[in-house]
Amino acid sequence: QQQVKQSPQSLIVQKGGIPIINCAYENTAFDYFPWYQQFPGKGPALLIAIRPDVSEKKEGRFTISFNKSAKQFSLHIMDSQPGDSATYFCAASKDDYKLSFGAGTTVTVRA
Amino acid sequence: DVKVTQSSRYLVKRTGEKVFLECVQDMDHENMFWYRQDPGLGLRLIYFSYDVKMKEKGDIPEGYSVSREKKERFSLILESASTNQTSMYLCASSWAYEQYFGPGTRLTVT
Repeated sequence: QQQVKQSPQSLIVQKGGIPIINCAYENTAFDYFPWYQQFPGKGPALLIAIRPDVSEKKEGRFTISFNKSAKQFSLHIMDSQPGDSATYFCAASKDDYKLSFGAGTTVTVRA
Repeated sequence: DVKVTQSSRYLVKRTGEKVFLECVQDMDHENMFWYRQDPGLGLRLIYFSYDVKMKEKGDIPEGYSVSREKKERFSLILESASTNQTSMYLCASSWAYEQYFGPGTRLTVT
């Protein structure tokens, strides 16, 4: 049973659009919420991460929004570019450093 | 740069064969992990290790075992490969929360 539920499965946007990916969790012991980006033929790489004491974090064009009471967090890609086309995974971890991953979202940004 | 290498990018094995997948990291990380990646299921943790000769089961350990004789090397073993083990296998290492992944091994069992 997946501990982190991710939606949608896939997303297509035009260049400049804002794809939004949502994740939800149940385990309140989770204290670290990263997003990983994976390009075809490559392993996932850390994109951005947030702790539950913060409601929003921005790094460049990528923003995580975190709602602790709803146990939900989301990734927004501002001014999306064709180079952002990839599969994105949300994840969650407790203090044991193990990651529980969502099912992944394939984002396609059309030029 | 952290580098995690996996012994093969593609592997084709027959049902019943013993399969070894090797992973090496060059950053002196304590923690190492093996995942399998399947469409619609994301990454699922098979085994992990916090130190040499230590191993712990992840979420889907059935049919797999691991070995960590040296800090930099973590091996995944399929004792008797089955067709339902056809998948992408990813190795990762970390000091703490951030995990660094290798490029993956796509294993096909026929």
